[in-house]
Amino acid sequence: KQEVTQIPAALSVPEGENLVLNCSFTDSAIYNLQWFRQDPGKGLTSLLLIQSSQREQTSGRLNASLDKSSGRSTLYIAASQPGDSATYLCAVLTGANSKLTFGKGITLSVRP
Amino acid sequence: DGGITQSPKYLFRKEGQNVTLSCEQNLNHDAMYWYRQDPGQGLRLIYYSQIVNDFQKGDIAEGYSVSREKKESFPLTVTSAQKNPTAFYLCASSPLGGSGDTQYFGPGTRLTVL
Repeated sequence: KQEVTQIPAALSVPEGENLVLNCSFTDSAIYNLQWFRQDPGKGLTSLLLIQSSQREQTSGRLNASLDKSSGRSTLYIAASQPGDSATYLCAVLTGANSKLTFGKGITLSVRP
Repeated sequence: DGGITQSPKYLFRKEGQNVTLSCEQNLNHDAMYWYRQDPGQGLRLIYYSQIVNDFQKGDIAEGYSVSREKKESFPLTVTSAQKNPTAFYLCASSPLGGSGDTQYFGPGTRLTVL
């Protein structure tokens, strides 16, 4: 059974800091890995999707990497801003039925 | 204006009552999903559907039921058999079958049992 782990559960950093959020998964037979953002009381917004054949994806200040063989992904946020404060969830897509398995998320707080 | 809508935003239920959460999408996506989110927890899959008139149980289907009579609609009924229904419910949709396809999420419904 696929399990996705995100540690720590919460992180607080000062504005401007570069930071890395980690995600690990137990079964490397994935189709893709996705990072989502969730604001309090809201739905999820897709940030980056890395297909199993890719190593990384970039969007603006965000860069996500994937090491499928070791079951790890990182989300790098450059020059963090208070508006980046949210919960970041990692999810992997496995199986023929497009089933996403989610981690519990990392709640990020960026202090002005 | 394309997207996924969920209603209501907040729902209160008395014990023993069934309630139905609405999910509609105009993205022409084949697949639709229902997830449950509890505080400090990741999303857990309740039911999913890849085609009209067909659906499959997810990891925590007990106490829930769904229907898929139309491509754009996938309502979720929380029955009285669900012992701990207070949670945040999220609906999602995606195109079918592509490994590069993400899931698009609605804004969620917060259900509280009184």
